[in-house]
This record gives sequence, C-alpha cells and structure tokens, in this order.
Amino acid sequence: EPEVTQTPSHQVTQMGQEVILRCVPISNHLYFYWYRQILGQKVEFLVSFYNNEISEKSEIFDDQFSVERPDGSNFTLKIRSTKLEDSAMYFCAGRGQALLEQYFGPGTRLTVT
Amino acid sequence: KQEVTQIPAALSVPEGENLVLNCSFTDSAIYNLQWFRQDPGKGLTSLLLIQSSQREQTSGRLNASLDKSSGRSTLYIAASQPGDSATYLCASQAGGSQGNLIFGKGTKLSVKP
Repeated sequence: EPEVTQTPSHQVTQMGQEVILRCVPISNHLYFYWYRQILGQKVEFLVSFYNNEISEKSEIFDDQFSVERPDGSNFTLKIRSTKLEDSAMYFCAGRGQALLEQYFGPGTRLTVT
Repeated sequence: KQEVTQIPAALSVPEGENLVLNCSFTDSAIYNLQWFRQDPGKGLTSLLLIQSSQREQTSGRLNASLDKSSGRSTLYIAASQPGDSATYLCASQAGGSQGNLIFGKGTKLSVKP
C-alpha cells in the first residue's frame, strides 16, 4: 500500500539556521499539506499546496516559511531562520482529487537548540 | 473560527469493554470530519472519514457518527483490545477550504489487559 514518506525522521539544528524538511507524497495525490504539532499540543495546519502554488496558509506560516515541489515528486518545507519555538513534529499530508481523506506521513521531529 | 474539542482527555478501560470517544465542533458548516489514531512519537493514521451528508461510517470494530446540527461526532470502539491503546484525534474540514483540517487535542486511550 502506498505511503507518504518524510525525511529526516529527526533533525537537530541551531537557532538561526535554515532547515529543509522533505516529503514524498503518494504518487496520485494532488493536494498537499504541512502541519505541525508542538509537544503536548494540537496538530496545527500550516499550508496547503495545489497545482504548484500555495492555496491556503495559516497565521503560523509567515515569511520564514516556504514550500515547493521542485521535481513533481518531493514536497519540501523550508524554514529560513529557525527559532526555538519552531521545535515541533512536522507532518506532511496529501489527498487525491476525488478523495477527501488525507494521508499523513510519519513526521519529522525538529529540535532547535 | 472553528474550534474542535475532545472529551475526555484521557480514558482507561479494561479489555473487552465498548467505549465512546467524543468530539465537538463550534461551526456546524463543516465539509467532513476525519478520525485519526496517533501512536506515541508517530504519525497520524486515518481511521474514518464522514462527509457532511452522512450520519455514520463503519470500519471493523469502529463506528463514527456525525450530528452537524449539534456540532458533535462520536467514535465508538467495540470490544476494545490492548492494541487499541493510542491517542485518537478528530479533525474537521471547513466547507470552501482547500482541505485544511482543524484538529482537537485528542483522547488518550489506554486499554488494560
């Protein structure tokens, strides 16, 4: 059964550094999402991406964040200058055109020191 | 702004018991509602999705119901097993959105052998 994959599983970085989190969605999915979950808190929507552009973003998704799908397979989330409060689990998700169900990846745990 | 609440935050039951997890949402104009399971430190596994036009969905020992008018959904687990121990999350998708999900904080279920 196809799965969403994410790399790395754990990333440790210093404050102010840039990080890129990578996701490989299921091949026939068309809508892509990033969510994050700070330890002990709710899963929060960051951004949705369709037809090679951002379709919606939350207040969390400020100028420090960007997404792209450069090669039609990988879907990346970049944080330009990480802050301590960016420490969280980041989940990639996707769905097909007709499917409403979102399928999530295993997550990348980002630790900013 | 949609708010999703799950009560109780934690639940402990003996093996074999039937149980109900509750989810409430403030804006009844939802497009669908999705239930997930999250194991510690892991990603989200989709369990069931109920579209706004449906009243319930079943998968094996799981049954999810949706009452839009009262802003409530329930997840019924029959004959619980220790392997059901996990955190259960509900998430609503607003109508007119690109599919971004608004999550509750979850109910942590522990099934004792």
